[in-house]
Order: sequence, then C-alpha cells, then structure tokens
Amino acid sequence: AQSVTQPDIHITVSEGASLELRCNYSYGATPYLFWYVQSPGQGLQLLLKYFSGDTLVQGIKGFEAEFKRSQSSFNLKKPSVHWSDAAEYFCAVYQAGTALIFGKGTTLSVSS
Amino acid sequence: KAGVTQTPRYLIKTRGQQVTLSCSPISGHRSVSWYQQTPGQGLQFLFEYFSETQRNKGNFPGRFSGRQFSNSRSEMNVSTLELGDSALYLCASSPNPDRSNEQFFGPGTRLTVL
Repeated sequence: AQSVTQPDIHITVSEGASLELRCNYSYGATPYLFWYVQSPGQGLQLLLKYFSGDTLVQGIKGFEAEFKRSQSSFNLKKPSVHWSDAAEYFCAVYQAGTALIFGKGTTLSVSS
Repeated sequence: KAGVTQTPRYLIKTRGQQVTLSCSPISGHRSVSWYQQTPGQGLQFLFEYFSETQRNKGNFPGRFSGRQFSNSRSEMNVSTLELGDSALYLCASSPNPDRSNEQFFGPGTRLTVL
C-alpha cells in the first residue's frame, strides 16, 4: 500500500531563514504528490502539486518542492520564512482507487 | 465563489449517541470526500462520493456512513459513538474525481465524544 512519511514532527526556523520540510513516499507508479498547509482551526490549503514534468514545482506563498524519483522524496522548500508561515504542513500522495494518503504532518514554528 | 462549508463547526455528544455532519461543496463541484483527523492517526480517508454514488471507502467500521444528495451536498453519519471518534472531520470537494484535481477543504467539524 502507498504511504507517506514525514520524518520531522516539529521544526523551528528563524524568521528570514530558509526552510526544507522532508517527505518520502512509497508508490509503485508515477505518483501524484501534494503539499497542504493547515493553520490552527482551519482546513487544509493546497500549496502545490506534482504530476509529471519538471521536478521542481512552484506553489503559492513562495513555496516550491523538488521531486526526486531516485530518493522517493518530495521535499518542500522556501528561501525565506515569514512568521505567518507557522502552521502544520502535510505531504500527500494520491492513491489510485481511493483518495489522498497523508503523512503525519510537520509542525513549523517560526522564531523571531 | 463560496468555499466548502461544514456544519456544525463544533459538536459535543456522549457515547452511544449518533451524529450527522453536513458538507456543502463549492458550487459546481460534484465530488465530495470525507477525512478524519486525530492527533494519533493523523488524516485518514473515510469515503468519497460522486454524483450521489459512493466511489471509494476507507478502512473504517460500518458505524461510519455517508450519502450525497442531487445538489452534491453530502452528509456523514456516525452511529453508536465511541470516545475514539472524537476528531476533526474534514470535507473536501473537487469538480470530479480526477486525481489531478485539487481538493478544496472545508474548515471541519470538531466532534467531541464524552
């Protein structure tokens, strides 16, 4: 069965510093990959998605992600973090025949 | 365009009761999916509906059920509530079940079972 692993439960980054959130997936075919963000008390908002083509995808709010098939990874990046980026981030893969399979999430804290 | 709406936002029930949660998708969206979010298990897929038909179902007991109406609105029902059913229940809609479509999530219904 497909699965998604986010190795980091909690990360703290200084405002203005760069960010990389890790995501590893297990999927036999070409995966459909997503990153979502959830602010406290809110639903999930899509940051970006990857289906095929360029391995570096751009998303909203200055986020990007790099797909590396050889490493089964889809890491989320941002060059300079803002305090408003503090939230929980979820990586997900679309499992054929069902729906989105989510990782357990990474909570991002931003220090000033 | 209005987003996905879920009612009620908060709900408190006692063990053994049943509950019905409602989801109104974005206008024009015909696919609705439900997810359960808990601190321990994270986000887990419950079921997906399209054109009033359940297309897929996650690994949940039969106490969890749902339906979709002709206007694409969806309801999920949990019978004989257990303490472990306390969770945030999220609804997501998309134009159709194509996996390339973005799923738009509602704010969720927070269910507390006492």
